[in-house]
Amino acid sequence: AQKVTQAQTEISVVEKEDVTLDCVYETRDTTYYLFWYKQPPSGELVFLIRRNSFDEQNEISGRYSWNFQKSTSSFNFTITASQVVDSAVYFCALNAGNNRKLIWGLGTSLAVNP
Amino acid sequence: DAGVIQSPRHEVTEMGQEVTLRCKPISGHNSLFWYRQTMMRGLELLIYFNNNVPIDDSGMPEDRFSAKMPNASFSTLKIQPSEPRDSAVYFCASSSRLAGGEGNEQFFGPGTRLTVL
Repeated sequence: AQKVTQAQTEISVVEKEDVTLDCVYETRDTTYYLFWYKQPPSGELVFLIRRNSFDEQNEISGRYSWNFQKSTSSFNFTITASQVVDSAVYFCALNAGNNRKLIWGLGTSLAVNP
Repeated sequence: DAGVIQSPRHEVTEMGQEVTLRCKPISGHNSLFWYRQTMMRGLELLIYFNNNVPIDDSGMPEDRFSAKMPNASFSTLKIQPSEPRDSAVYFCASSSRLAGGEGNEQFFGPGTRLTVL
C-alpha cells in the first residue's frame, strides 16, 4: 500500500524561527517521486519541489531545504528564519507505480506569527 | 506562460441544479486531473486523463459526477443533480510526462469554490 503521513497537523512559530515539517511515506516500489506543495490562505496549490527515489541529495532553495532519507522513508521540509508569508498549509505527496496519481498527506498548517 | 485556467471561480447553486466546471490545462501538458478539497476529507483525486482518455475515475463519488476531455485544451466536470454535500473547492491540475517515466509535478488551477444550497 502507498501512504503519506504528515503527523503534524498544526505548527505555530514566531517569525525568524526555523521550522521542520515532517513527511513519512510508504511504498513498495523502488522507483517513486516525492513532492511538496504549499497552499497559502488564498487557496491555490503551489508546487515547491520534486524528488525521485534515486536522488538522495538534500536540496536547498533560499530559506527552504529538504532532507530525503530513504532509510527512514522520510522527506522532511525545513524553513529557515521563517516569515509571516510562509504561513500556509504544506502538503507532501508521493507518486509511485505506473500511473500519474499522487498520494497526498493530510497537510500541515503552519502559522508564523510576527 | 498561462497556467491552468478554471472557470467559474465561484459557483453558488441550489440543490438539484446541474453544475459544470471548466478547465483549460497548460499547453503541451498531456495529463489532466480533477480534485476535490474539503475540510473533512482533504484533497481527493476524482479522475485523471492521459492524452484526453480517462485513465482512473475510481475517485468519482457517484454517478451524479461525470467528466469529459473532448480535446487537449479543455475539460469539464459536471454534477447533475447537485447536492449540498458536493460543496467544496474543485481543482484542476495538469502535468507533462517525464521522458522515460511518470512522476512529473502537477500544476494546479486556482480552483472553483462550489456552494450548493
